[in-house]
Amino acid sequence: NAGVTQTPKFQVLKTGQSMTLQCAQDMNHEYMSWYRQDPGMGLRLIHYSVGAGITDQGEVPNGYNVSRSTTEDFPLRLLSAAPSQTSVYFCASSYSSMGMGNTIYFGEGSWLTVV
Amino acid sequence: GDSVTQMEGPVTLSEEAFLTINCTYTATGYPSLFWYVQYPGEGLQLLLKATKADDKGSNKGFEATYRKETTSFHLEKGSVQVSDSAVYFCALSGGTSGSRLTFGEGTQLTVNP
Repeated sequence: NAGVTQTPKFQVLKTGQSMTLQCAQDMNHEYMSWYRQDPGMGLRLIHYSVGAGITDQGEVPNGYNVSRSTTEDFPLRLLSAAPSQTSVYFCASSYSSMGMGNTIYFGEGSWLTVV
Repeated sequence: GDSVTQMEGPVTLSEEAFLTINCTYTATGYPSLFWYVQYPGEGLQLLLKATKADDKGSNKGFEATYRKETTSFHLEKGSVQVSDSAVYFCALSGGTSGSRLTFGEGTQLTVNP
């Protein structure tokens, strides 16, 4: 049972480079999301998706793009990396966006450094 | 909008000490409340949850009770161990943000032998 799988785990980018963080889940979850974790700020929502073909912005979407062509995959793209995007990124999924108490499962995180 | 406020850290305790990490929230409706734990170098794991007022979530010796009257969900453990050293996040969902989780800032706990 793989759960939520993120790749890569570590990445160093130069300013201006682009890259994609991959996220896949094998639980047939409708809802997927990306968070970034910064010291003293908890986790902040970047983008989320309530199903294949549907995405929406979270709290801090600028500089990031997402797509949801399949239920399983939810990649996060950095189009032109900036040092301010140095962070730890977490992908998460849950069965449904509706109702109370849905358990949200997290990937192990991707540590990104932009120099 | 929804918000979660945790007690400021870091918190340092000796083994077998009593732990309390305070968490209060602001949300409309009837949110679900969660505690997540993050061990060094790892992702977040769900520790416990409560979905309605007066529910008590518990796991691995940790407990938290959903108090709607005080909008709180404080995390407690009677006797901490060195292996409990981690960052603890309080979170809610189901307020105005649907299934989106709103997190507190996190509290770093260090337990010394």
